[in-house]
Amino acid sequence: DAGVTQSPTHLIKTRGQQVTLRCSPISGHKSVSWYQQVLGQGPQFIFQYYEKEERGRGNFPDRFSARQFPNYSSELNVNALLLGDSALYLCASSWDGSRNQPQHFGDGTRLSIL
Amino acid sequence: GQQLNQSPQSMFIQEGEDVSMNCTSSSIFNTWLWYKQDPGEGPVLLIALYKAGELTSNGRLTAQFGITRKDSFLNISASIPSDVGIYFCAGLSPRLSSNTGKLIFGQGTTLQVKP
Repeated sequence: DAGVTQSPTHLIKTRGQQVTLRCSPISGHKSVSWYQQVLGQGPQFIFQYYEKEERGRGNFPDRFSARQFPNYSSELNVNALLLGDSALYLCASSWDGSRNQPQHFGDGTRLSIL
Repeated sequence: GQQLNQSPQSMFIQEGEDVSMNCTSSSIFNTWLWYKQDPGEGPVLLIALYKAGELTSNGRLTAQFGITRKDSFLNISASIPSDVGIYFCAGLSPRLSSNTGKLIFGQGTTLQVKP
């Protein structure tokens, strides 16, 4: 079975631009979460979605937004990109996002801001 | 501030040696997860723990959910070169995760194995 798939794998943008990252969860999983991982640190939570509704939001500015589609795939949008947004963006899926269902991660999108 | 303290930060060991790393917090956790991340890849789930005191093994890996619910450890026995990577603890805390799926991560332990 396919794991969590993310696209694109790498992306280069300039300051002020906007970016959309995509995630397809493991088949049967209805919850998707987004994390930001800067070099040398553990991932930081951005959003969680379950059944197309936002279930949680981390401490990120309003420039970050996300949505989940009826097929449970998800998009993360970041507007007005800053140099500090350069990071690995990880998507994780689980069956229902509850504590007894572990989150499985994709390989991420490496975003570089010039 | 840092909500999960993971130690050691890095380890350089000889092939065949056993390895131990741990995570502690001042907050209670009700789920502990251990992940391994290789360069250019996402974290891969190794072990999941759901009950205080729970001890779970996955091959040469063993992890425990601390009885106080504020810590967890991961042991790797008889290390091999492919164990090289960054190991992360992560957990769900009623206070820190606010009843969402917000995983709180440690800073990671970088493991290097000398053949």
